[in-house]
Amino acid sequence: AQTVTQSQPEMSVQEAETVTLSCTYDTSESDYYLFWYKQPPSRQMILVIRQEAYKQQNATENRFSVNFQKAAKSFSLKISDSQLGDAAMYFCAYRSYSGTYKYIFGTGTRLKVLA
Amino acid sequence: NAGVTQTPKFRVLKTGQSMTLLCAQDMNHEYMYWYRQDPGMGLRLIHYSVGEGTTAKGEVPDGYNVSRLKKQNFLLGLESAAPSQTSVYFCASTDGSTGYEQYFGPGTRLTVT
Repeated sequence: AQTVTQSQPEMSVQEAETVTLSCTYDTSESDYYLFWYKQPPSRQMILVIRQEAYKQQNATENRFSVNFQKAAKSFSLKISDSQLGDAAMYFCAYRSYSGTYKYIFGTGTRLKVLA
Repeated sequence: NAGVTQTPKFRVLKTGQSMTLLCAQDMNHEYMYWYRQDPGMGLRLIHYSVGEGTTAKGEVPDGYNVSRLKKQNFLLGLESAAPSQTSVYFCASTDGSTGYEQYFGPGTRLTVT
């Protein structure tokens, strides 16, 4: 069975600095999707970025980028030029490319942004 | 386009009472999911549906039932609420054809006393 591990329960970053959130996963599959979701205090889950495992190029979305290391089964999220609005819980998630329709979520990392 | 909506947003139940949570989506998505979120445990899948009239068990299905009579609605029922079911419940949907992004509802905070 697939698992997703986020080993950092909490992280802090100074405003305008860069922070990296870690995520590792375990799977025997070769094709899958990986996601980072943001959950601000409002509770609404928002997709930050998505990576298809068959793509070698790391995904980027404005200030958010990932470092996808397929062999190491690592999927870290880098937030550049951190802003106060980035403060939230961040969840890493895995989904098989085919077959099961289930998503596996990590336990989350709470990011604090210091002014 | 409201996306995914959940009713109610908050609820307090006494042990043994029953209730139904309603999830509705207006994006014509095939797949719908119910999760519960507890501190330190991330999101855990309760039940899911891959189409109208179909449901399947997730990771923590005990004590819950679901129904998907209409494509746009996914109901989560608690027949006899227990304090262990105190949680925040999220509904999500995905169309399965555009990268499998999940769209989430705003959540329902349920307290069982």
